[in-house]
Amino acid sequence: QVQLVQSGAEVKKPGASVKVSCKASGFTFTNYYMHWVRQAPGQGLEWMGMINPSGDATSYAQKFQGRVTMTRDTSTSTVYMELSSLRSEDTAIYYCARGGAGILNFDYWGRGTLVTVSS
Amino acid sequence: QAVVTQEPSLTVSPGETVTLTCDSSTGAVTSGHYPYWFQQKPGQAPRTLIYDTSNKHSWTPARFSGSLLGDKAALTLSGAQPEDEAEYYCLLSYNGAQNYVFGTGTKVTVL
Repeated sequence: QVQLVQSGAEVKKPGASVKVSCKASGFTFTNYYMHWVRQAPGQGLEWMGMINPSGDATSYAQKFQGRVTMTRDTSTSTVYMELSSLRSEDTAIYYCARGGAGILNFDYWGRGTLVTVSS
Repeated sequence: QAVVTQEPSLTVSPGETVTLTCDSSTGAVTSGHYPYWFQQKPGQAPRTLIYDTSNKHSWTPARFSGSLLGDKAALTLSGAQPEDEAEYYCLLSYNGAQNYVFGTGTKVTVL
């Protein structure tokens, strides 16, 4: 069955970087885009960006351009999201979700990784 | 960047029908935005209910349906059940599916 297993919670200081991982199983990893979505406490969902199946192209939401980097490792079927220059407003749950066309887009989600930014 | 707006909250009686809408600041929502609808319950990841305006996943209860209503995307819940109490988000695609924007979310109360 399709599974997206995310890394554990992180606590970071303002100005630091965080790298969250999402390990995929149960499907052919190299056939799918992967999205990252975040949700601040008590707030709505926010699309951050996506990476293509081969890992050589990304598309980031304008808000995060220059601060986010998405990569993937096909040897371990893992996708990564690194966010730099963290500030308190980046405290949120970060989700990965599978991407593709139509029914395959956003069909499976990870359980989320809580990133807390605090001095 | 586009702003996608939803009703902040709606209340529906059990067994009744409620319609949620999804509006784009850039103009009319069309099938070219490939509207998605997600349900999220407290402490859980979102779950896709509708993709590409009106298509359902195998896990989507039959009482949920998606459509275009005027210049907006819409999610209709016909015959609300207590377990449908949740937050609902729409998602629109822009720039040839290279950019996505979530709606502001609608909290649905079944009371």
